[in-house]
Amino acid sequence: DAGITQSPRHKVTETGTPVTLRCHQTENHRYMYWYRQDPGHGLRLIHYSYGVKDTDKGEVSDGYSVSRSKTEDFLLTLESATSSQTSVYFCAISASNYGYTFGSGTRLTVV
Amino acid sequence: AQRVTQPEKLLSVFKGAPVELKCNYSYSGSPELFWYVQYSRQRLQLLLRHISRESIKGFTADLNKGETSFHLKKPFAQEEDSAMYYCALRANRGGSQGNLIFGKGTKLSVKP
Repeated sequence: DAGITQSPRHKVTETGTPVTLRCHQTENHRYMYWYRQDPGHGLRLIHYSYGVKDTDKGEVSDGYSVSRSKTEDFLLTLESATSSQTSVYFCAISASNYGYTFGSGTRLTVV
Repeated sequence: AQRVTQPEKLLSVFKGAPVELKCNYSYSGSPELFWYVQYSRQRLQLLLRHISRESIKGFTADLNKGETSFHLKKPFAQEEDSAMYYCALRANRGGSQGNLIFGKGTKLSVKP
């Protein structure tokens, strides 16, 4: 067990609907991240958190919001899903002197 | 600006052949470099980080600051090495943690 879980694993939603993805960790790490993975683009940072209620934008934050009310949970919300947000979303956690540990990903399809 | 470049989208080799996955970076300070691997439809896993100078699954990578490169090498490729490989950079900010910046990835295909 990598100490990080994402839910749901797969989701299909309609354009214009709100969607929330959840990342849960059991490692008590301070840092949490949301990335999206797209062919030809690699991984791009959406938002990250450096503590409870402390979040900041990444490279591709438009159309996304996040919340972190507890150390263990980091939520990614698409307020009004668009087809361009069809992607695989990865959450990651980090201790300060090591690389990231990634979740298994959420495959989101917006139709 | 910090940037990671992986010039090859796809690298195809035969089993037993040497492999070199290229990674170049752009950063004026002292970076931390990593290699991540993603097997088909699985999570990304840390393969190597430059500061540990270790060899994992036969892979090695040396940070060359003069050429700003961190190429991943393996002398004899195996079929199970087929995967997506990502190079990543993290800027050191004197105590505060920078975020990981990823390259676009190289898909390695090892043929029998």
